[in-house]
Amino acid sequence: DSGVTQTPKHLITATGQRVTLRCSPRSGDLSVYWYQQSLDQGLQFLIQYYNGEERAKGNILERFSAQQFPDLHSELNLSSLELGDSALYFCASSEKSLDTQYFGPGTRLTVL
Amino acid sequence: DAKTTQPNSMESNEEEPVHLPCNHSTISGTDYIHWYRQLPSQGPEYVIHGLTSNVNNRMASLAIAEDRKSSTLILHRATLRDAAVYYCIPRIQGAQKLVFGQGTRLTINP
Repeated sequence: DSGVTQTPKHLITATGQRVTLRCSPRSGDLSVYWYQQSLDQGLQFLIQYYNGEERAKGNILERFSAQQFPDLHSELNLSSLELGDSALYFCASSEKSLDTQYFGPGTRLTVL
Repeated sequence: DAKTTQPNSMESNEEEPVHLPCNHSTISGTDYIHWYRQLPSQGPEYVIHGLTSNVNNRMASLAIAEDRKSSTLILHRATLRDAAVYYCIPRIQGAQKLVFGQGTRLTINP
């Protein structure tokens, strides 16, 4: 158990819908990262927040957005969902920005 | 980002040592070499990292070539629980993200 929690574990929705994935980092960790894992693209970095502020951005679509709240939990919002958005979404956290990252168990999103 | 080359898959037997190679010939002098692994149906898990000299921890050892263009992750005595995809990741100094390649799928035979 890494100490990072993600909810929900599974999510099934339809194209065009909007969903929110939630992540609670390890106690004391200020940095949160979001990654997407799909069969064709592998594990890809989406975005990072550090103490409430966006710190780095990767291959995140404009339909996707994220935020980190004052209690340090983070949410990833995915809108106008397409079939190709079906994937595992992982959250990771670290104490500081460049430290070892600890990953949560992931949320499996299925878009039908 | 430095490019890495790892075997797609490897197989070993339980209680034997496993050497997982990684080529990272474009690595810069300040990039650390990180290894993560992903067990089935789980998120990636940190294994070990190093810069120039060999490193040991309770999970594994990391042997880094003198020219730093390759490294080897060593599991001294594999168990069934070590079956996973292993990722070698050069981490650019100052980079926030981890860049995952395809990794090596390690199978452990009982």
